[in-house]
Amino acid sequence: SQQGEEDPQALSIQEGENATMNCSYKTSINNLQWYRQNSGRGLVHLILIRSNEREKHSGRLRVTLDTSKKSSSLLITASRAADTASYFCATGRYNNNDMRFGAGTRLTVKP
Amino acid sequence: NAGVTQTPKFQVLKTGQSMTLQCAQDMNHEYMSWYRQDPGMGLRLIHYSVGAGITDQGEVPNGYNVSRSTTEDFPLRLLSAAPSQTSVYFCASRSPGTGNGYTFGSGTRLTVV
Repeated sequence: SQQGEEDPQALSIQEGENATMNCSYKTSINNLQWYRQNSGRGLVHLILIRSNEREKHSGRLRVTLDTSKKSSSLLITASRAADTASYFCATGRYNNNDMRFGAGTRLTVKP
Repeated sequence: NAGVTQTPKFQVLKTGQSMTLQCAQDMNHEYMSWYRQDPGMGLRLIHYSVGAGITDQGEVPNGYNVSRSTTEDFPLRLLSAAPSQTSVYFCASRSPGTGNGYTFGSGTRLTVV
């Protein structure tokens, strides 16, 4: 069974708006990662947050982690049409040998 | 660096045929994994390896075999293809340690008829 579950399944916004995606998971984790997948391509690693961290930033990306609620959120600020893609969270357990992915959020940014 | 290279990019098999999906990385990554991606299902882990000579099963290992004779290569073998194995297969690799994300290949789209 999948470890992470993203919400919403699909999100459509206008260029310049912020996009927020959520991820919930079931078991204890060592870290949580977010990936982007453009249509027909492989996944690209965006950001990793460890279980002892609460917030992390990378450019226009902001990730939060609440281990008490077993949830994470990815915020993309000032979105661009090029941000149109599917976004996946992945959780690592123990030594992160076994990464489990959710079903993803499909983000569409309209110009 | 080429990163993670998967071959072939597309493949059509008949039910019962066998084949090997190739995966090679040139980043000296110890950890490698195979995932399959089906519509609405996200990525599901098939097999993974933490180093040459070491492999382990993931969520959906049935019908697939792997081996890891070198650090660079991690082939995935379909023993007797079934229509349920129609999917997009991704290979990924990373360095050890909890602070490293995976580098993914571009995928192999497999259709079993």
